[in-house]
Amino acid sequence: NAGVTQTPKFQVLKTGQSMTLQCAQDMNHEYMSWYRQDPGMGLRLIHYSVGAGITDQGEVPNGYNVSRSTTEDFPLRLLSAAPSQTSVYFCASSYGTGLAGYTFGSGTRLTVV
Amino acid sequence: GDSVTQMEGPVTLSEEAFLTINCTYTATGYPSLFWYVQYPGEGLQLLLKATKADDKGSNKGFEATYRKETTSFHLEKGSVQVSDSAVYFCALIYGGATNKLIFGTGTLLAVQP
Repeated sequence: NAGVTQTPKFQVLKTGQSMTLQCAQDMNHEYMSWYRQDPGMGLRLIHYSVGAGITDQGEVPNGYNVSRSTTEDFPLRLLSAAPSQTSVYFCASSYGTGLAGYTFGSGTRLTVV
Repeated sequence: GDSVTQMEGPVTLSEEAFLTINCTYTATGYPSLFWYVQYPGEGLQLLLKATKADDKGSNKGFEATYRKETTSFHLEKGSVQVSDSAVYFCALIYGGATNKLIFGTGTLLAVQP
């Protein structure tokens, strides 16, 4: 089925560990983004990309890296996990200006202990 | 900066009750407005949208009208069902090269039979 696929669905990390959250879409969308969802704060933009080879920071980029080597993939890397990064992470993609709406993945629930 | 404000939840209703979830926005231009819905354990799904003033978005019995004069986009449904229980997010976006989606904090709706 076409859509946005995120892996893993759940992850527990120890403080200081690094990991990569994977995101792939098969809809040929130019625009991809990563959000984190925390209670009472809605979704906050971490990083986004308007096309292969182009990335930029969102509202809360510290502690995260991204790259966009292909149109399909947009991995999010946690460099040195901290308890403050415990959250649910969503990847989303859209075609063109995004006015038709974004397609979201099902999320990755990350716990940092 | 641009922002979205939603009424705080949770909103608890009995089945067949009328629903209103308030949403107001602050923006320097004329954004497009969206309502997204998140069912338990899932990612966000686009519920409805409006791209210019006085537009009415509708889907699955839900409606919202883009009111420029009051900078509002309130979500309404005439008769809610238990299956409507979810978190509802109001959001705005500017199209163009950086089409970032800005979310409100979300409103939890619980519908009791």
